[in-house]
Amino acid sequence: GQQLNQSPQSMFIQEGEDVSMNCTSSSIFNTWLWYKQDPGEGPVLLIALYKAGELTSNGRLTAQFGITRKDSFLNISASIPSDVGIYFCAGRGQGAQKLVFGQGTRLTINP
Amino acid sequence: EAQVTQNPRYLITVTGKKLTVTCSQNMNHEYMSWYRQDPGLGLRQIYYSMNVEVTDKGDVPEGYKVSRKEKRNFPLILESPSPNQTSLYFCASSPRVVETQYFGPGTRLTVL
Repeated sequence: GQQLNQSPQSMFIQEGEDVSMNCTSSSIFNTWLWYKQDPGEGPVLLIALYKAGELTSNGRLTAQFGITRKDSFLNISASIPSDVGIYFCAGRGQGAQKLVFGQGTRLTINP
Repeated sequence: EAQVTQNPRYLITVTGKKLTVTCSQNMNHEYMSWYRQDPGLGLRQIYYSMNVEVTDKGDVPEGYKVSRKEKRNFPLILESPSPNQTSLYFCASSPRVVETQYFGPGTRLTVL
C-alpha cells in the first residue's frame, strides 16, 4: 500500500532547541495531519491541514501544507521534555476513505 | 468521558490459537478502523468500517477478519495467528470525517 516518506526517522536534541520534520508523497493529498504518540499510548491529533499553503499553529507547534500538495512540514519551537515521543504525519487523497501514515519521527530530548 | 477502549492491552498466545481483540467507542462515531504499528513501518491500516455492516480492506488485511454488527463495537479477529502478526494494534474511530480519528490505547500482541 501507499506510504508517506517521513524524515528524519529519529532526532536527538537538547532541551530548548527547535525541531523540524517533514513528510513527502508521490501523489497529491487533500488533507495532511500530524499526530504525536507518547510511550504506551495511542496517537493523538496535533494539527490538521486542509488547504495547500496553509500554515497552522498549536502552541509551540507549527505545521504547513506544502504548495505542491505533496508534502508537509512540522516545526516545534523551544523544545521541552514532554515533547518526547513519536510524531507521525498522515495524509488523505481526494475521495479516499482512509489515511496513509508516515513511518514516524522519534524525538529524544536531552535535558 | 469520550474514549476508544481496547481489550486486552497485552496478549501472548501461540500459533494457530484463535483470538479476538475488542474495540469499543462511546462517541457514536460511524467510522472505525484497525491499524498495526511495526518499527520503521509506521501505522498500516488493516480494515476499516464506514458504518454498521459495512467493512472494507485496508493495506494489510491478510490473516485478519472484522465485523461491525453494532455501531460502537469493531472487533479484530485472528482466526489462526502466526508469529508475523506479532505487533502493536490500534483501534480508531471518527465521525463521518475520517481525519479526526481518535485512537485507543493499543494492544500489544505476541504470537509464539
